[in-house]
Amino acid sequence: DAMVIQNPRYQVTQFGKPVTLSCSQTLNHNVMYWYQQKSSQAPKLLFHYYDKDFNNEADTPDNFQSRRPNTSFCFLDIRSPGLGDAAMYLCATSAGQTGGSYEQYFGPGTRLTVT
Amino acid sequence: AQSVTQLDSHVSVSEGTPVLLRCNYSSSYSPSLFWYVQHPNKGLQLLLKYTSAATLVKGINGFEAEFKKSETSFHLTKPSAHMSDAAEYFCVVSLPLDMRFGAGTRLTVKP
Repeated sequence: DAMVIQNPRYQVTQFGKPVTLSCSQTLNHNVMYWYQQKSSQAPKLLFHYYDKDFNNEADTPDNFQSRRPNTSFCFLDIRSPGLGDAAMYLCATSAGQTGGSYEQYFGPGTRLTVT
Repeated sequence: AQSVTQLDSHVSVSEGTPVLLRCNYSSSYSPSLFWYVQHPNKGLQLLLKYTSAATLVKGINGFEAEFKKSETSFHLTKPSAHMSDAAEYFCVVSLPLDMRFGAGTRLTVKP
C-alpha cells in the first residue's frame, strides 16, 4: 500500500544534542510537510518542500532545519533540542497544486522526548 | 486569508447515540474542507473531504458532513457512536499549499 512512513516512532534525545527525524513516502507526491504537534493542540506547520523548493513558515525557529535529498525522503533536523521541543512530529505529503483536492496524507508521527 | 473554528473543544456522547461535531470556516476563495481523526499517539487519518462536488459528503466509519455555504459550516455527524470513535477530530480548510487546522474536538464515548 502506498503510504507515508516515519522513523523512528519514538525518539529520546538529550538537551542540546542534535537529532534527525526521517520521513519517506511511496505516493510519489511532490509536496512534503513537517508539522509539530504538542499535547492537546492542533498540528503546527513548520515548513514544506514543493519538489526541491523549500518553504519555511515565518515563525519556525532557526533551530529547525529540513533536507529533501529526493522525492521519496525528507528529514527534520533539530540542531539543539530544548525541553520545549518535546512534541509529536508529523510528516505529510500532498500532490500539490495539480493534485485537485489538496488532501494531505499523514505518517504515524515521531514522538520526541528531550531529557 | 482563511481560518476554521471548531465550536466545541470536547463532546461527550453515550455509545449508540448520535454524534455532532461543529465546524465553521472562513475563506476568501472556494476551499476544500476536510475532517481528520487522530487516535492517541497516532497520525491523522482522513475521514472525509469536500471539494465542491456534492454538498453531503460521506466518509469512512459511518461519518458524514454537510457543506453549507450560506452558514459557512461543515459539521461532522454520525448516527450512532461507537466506543472506537473516541478520538480527537480536526476540521481543516485548505487552499493549495495552505492548510489551516481547527483547534480540535475531543470526542468521548461513554458505554
